[in-house]
Amino acid sequence: EVQLVETGGGLVQPGKSLKLTCATSGFTFSTAWMHWVRQSPDKRLEWIARIKDKSNNYATDYVESVKGRFTISRDDSKSSVYLQMNSLKEEDTATYYCTTLENYWGQGVMVTVSS
Amino acid sequence: DIQMTQSPASLSASLEEIVTITCQASQDIGNWLAWYQQKPGKSPQLLIYGATSLADGVPSRFSGSRSGTQYSLKISRLQVEDPGIYYCLQGYSAPLTFGSGTKLEIK
Repeated sequence: EVQLVETGGGLVQPGKSLKLTCATSGFTFSTAWMHWVRQSPDKRLEWIARIKDKSNNYATDYVESVKGRFTISRDDSKSSVYLQMNSLKEEDTATYYCTTLENYWGQGVMVTVSS
Repeated sequence: DIQMTQSPASLSASLEEIVTITCQASQDIGNWLAWYQQKPGKSPQLLIYGATSLADGVPSRFSGSRSGTQYSLKISRLQVEDPGIYYCLQGYSAPLTFGSGTKLEIK
């Protein structure tokens, strides 16, 4: 059974940091390109980051709105992908999903940025 | 960045009716287009990939098509389990971009 489980969300003040973890199982993680997608309270989906596999040198891409603040990384030995979020803003408030963008999505984790 | 213009924003249709949702790409994305369905409280689920290929386990009443830079999702006979929000996604180039979503309801 394929599982993707996101953890690390919560309530955080503007300017602070948070690290999300997505632990996966049931598929060949090491060759999968992993993504983070977020969904704002108005239900809009936004792709925010991607990390490719080892054969593609673990290359990363980001949406402009998070460049320089968010960092995606992975640990193939743990079948996990991470999202380090720094300098958080109120507009980062959303449910964050890790996904392969194919059939595999996590259940999502909420991040609320508010003072 | 590639913009995906999705329409309509909302749609109400009767059971067994044909429903069509469209996404217009701001530039050529080839067949790098996917469609997702999201039901309340759930994660998005892949319906169509490569513009026209049906994902595993998706009923055959769902189909995707392409005409130039316009992409369409068709539900041939609307069923009671089909309401939700539908999104397109272009995977041609980063940053990947979603359409704004179409909320589908049963009339």
